[in-house]
Amino acid sequence: EPEVTQTPSHQVTQMGQEVILRCVPISNHLYFYWYRQILGQKVEFLVSFYNNEISEKSEIFDDQFSVERPDGSNFTLKIRSTKLEDSAMYFCASSVETGTEAFFGQGTRLTVV
Amino acid sequence: AQSVTQLGSHVSVSEGALVLLRCNYSSSVPPYLFWYVQYPNQGLQLLLKYTSAATLVKGINGFEAEFKKSETSFHLTKPSAHMSDAAEYFCAVRAISGGGADGLTFGKGTHLIIQP
Repeated sequence: EPEVTQTPSHQVTQMGQEVILRCVPISNHLYFYWYRQILGQKVEFLVSFYNNEISEKSEIFDDQFSVERPDGSNFTLKIRSTKLEDSAMYFCASSVETGTEAFFGQGTRLTVV
Repeated sequence: AQSVTQLGSHVSVSEGALVLLRCNYSSSVPPYLFWYVQYPNQGLQLLLKYTSAATLVKGINGFEAEFKKSETSFHLTKPSAHMSDAAEYFCAVRAISGGGADGLTFGKGTHLIIQP
């Protein structure tokens, strides 16, 4: 069964460093998303991406965040200068059409120290 | 703008008993509604979805949910709880708007505990 894959599963980084979280969406999906879940809190929408551009972003997705689809398969989230409060589980998701269910990856746990 | 309220951060039921997880939504336009389940250290798995067709929606693992517009609710039920149902459950809403890859708005989640 097709699935969304994320790498790495866990990343530890020092405050101020740049991190890139990687995702391979399901191959025939056109819409891509990043969400985050701070420990013990709800899942929060960060950004959606369609047709090689950002479609929607939340207020959390400030200038330190960026997304890219560098090739035909990967979808990345870059955090330019990490802060302690960026520590969270980051989920990538994809959907075949807008409004249909999003399929989520297993997540990348980011720990900023 | 839309929002989701899940009543009860923790719900405990006995094995074999009815499971009822409550979700109320707020949306300025007709919504799509979803229930996702998250097992420990795993991602989110779709249980079921409402997309303006039948108001009673059946999902995986014996779960179902009923969309009630008058009550702005989308409660999740299962007639008989199983130990394997222990997990975190999230209700989510997406406004049906014209075009765009709009993100989901999630509730805070309900942790379902199954007592033997």
